Amino acid sequence: RKEVEQDPGPFNVPEGATVAFNCTYSNSASQSFFWYRQDCRKEPKLLMSVYSSGNEDGRFTAQLNRASQYISLLIRDSKLSDSATYLCAVYTSGTYKYIFGTGTRLKVLA
Amino acid sequence: NAGVTQTPKFQVLKTGQSMTLQCAQDMNHEYMSWYRQDPGMGLRLIHYSVGAGITDQGEVPNGYNVSRSTTEDFPLRLLSAAPSQTSVYFCASSPWTGVSTDTQYFGPGTRLTVL
Repeated sequence: RKEVEQDPGPFNVPEGATVAFNCTYSNSASQSFFWYRQDCRKEPKLLMSVYSSGNEDGRFTAQLNRASQYISLLIRDSKLSDSATYLCAVYTSGTYKYIFGTGTRLKVLA
Repeated sequence: NAGVTQTPKFQVLKTGQSMTLQCAQDMNHEYMSWYRQDPGMGLRLIHYSVGAGITDQGEVPNGYNVSRSTTEDFPLRLLSAAPSQTSVYFCASSPWTGVSTDTQYFGPGTRLTVL
């Protein structure tokens, strides 16, 4: 089993739709969680960190469920510009490693 | 403040050749790492470093060497290139306290083709 798993998609959604991605992790000692956005042939860029209490940034909401060991990303009112690959990342302090999921492709259709 | 820089942007090698991918950051970050990204595989950790003089292996270290003589630089060496090393390579850095860490900042990547 991979340490961090994501549904690769693609998710094709119409503009204005709400879409949610999940990311599961296997190491219960993991302590820091992140969502990155990656555009085609570009480097990943931080979208948001994920905190235990959940956090929101405009149309984006991230949640952490430690009991079930997953993080989620909700995008409301999807825009064409949201089309990208969304990567989750998990940092585990005992291992000193950031491990990434394979990414979920999102395509927002006009 | 340039952030994380990588050179070269593109490189073509023949099987068996060696080369070094350069990575530098000007944010005084202790933590640096190298990833490779292949289609459908996501980012896979090659090597990482938690400070000058300290390096360790990631998920896919075979065929790669690293060193960290300064805080700023973290070069990745391919000793004898193989076609399986054709990939996009990303370097990243992060502030690190020894216990917790913040997000990573990525360089623009190096696209390597091994023939």
